[in-house]
Amino acid sequence: DAGVTQSPTHLIKTRGQQVTLRCSPKSGHDTVSWYQQALGQGPQFIFQYYEEEERQRGNFPDRFSGHQFPNYSSELNVNALWLGDSALYLCASSLVVTGHYGYTFGSGTRLTVV
Amino acid sequence: AQSVTQLDSQVPVFEEAPVELRCNYSSSVSVYLFWYVQYPNQGLQLLLKYLSGSTLVKGINGFEAEFNKSQTSFHLRKPSVHISDTAEYFCAVSEGSGGGADGLTFGKGTHLIIQP
Repeated sequence: DAGVTQSPTHLIKTRGQQVTLRCSPKSGHDTVSWYQQALGQGPQFIFQYYEEEERQRGNFPDRFSGHQFPNYSSELNVNALWLGDSALYLCASSLVVTGHYGYTFGSGTRLTVV
Repeated sequence: AQSVTQLDSQVPVFEEAPVELRCNYSSSVSVYLFWYVQYPNQGLQLLLKYLSGSTLVKGINGFEAEFNKSQTSFHLRKPSVHISDTAEYFCAVSEGSGGGADGLTFGKGTHLIIQP
């Protein structure tokens, strides 16, 4: 049973560019949440998607946007990248009935902004 | 707003010794509490969670934690650690009012270092 798959695993971007990160949820899961983990910090909640809509959002600017597709996979888009966006981006899938009580995390995408 | 404080950024312990990783939280309402482990270059794995009921929670890999409402703490313990327990440990809290839609608030993590 495949777990959560994230791509790419590593990415280097230049300041001002845009980036798209991808997440395939665990089989059977219908909800995807995204977290940003800066070096030496705990993960911070960006947003959660269910039924192709943003359900809840953390304290992140509008430069961070997302999308969920009918097959429950999800994308995280970040516009106008700046150095502070360098981090490990984690995707967590779950069932809507369990939410964050039943997260399965992916291994993350390491984004470096130069 | 809720917050989580992990009091130790790093805890060195000898193999087969007991360990306690400390976590305190701040919230104005009832909370749900979690401990996650992160091995190098991997995502987070749930060790255990407290949603309700018994304040002593048992998790995977021999870990347990005790919810103490009066001290707003949720310390993680293991009676005997192994080299394989070397990892980063995160405490997290949720106020639960969002029905699971709201995200978890994580602490900054504690690096558990097992010395042979």
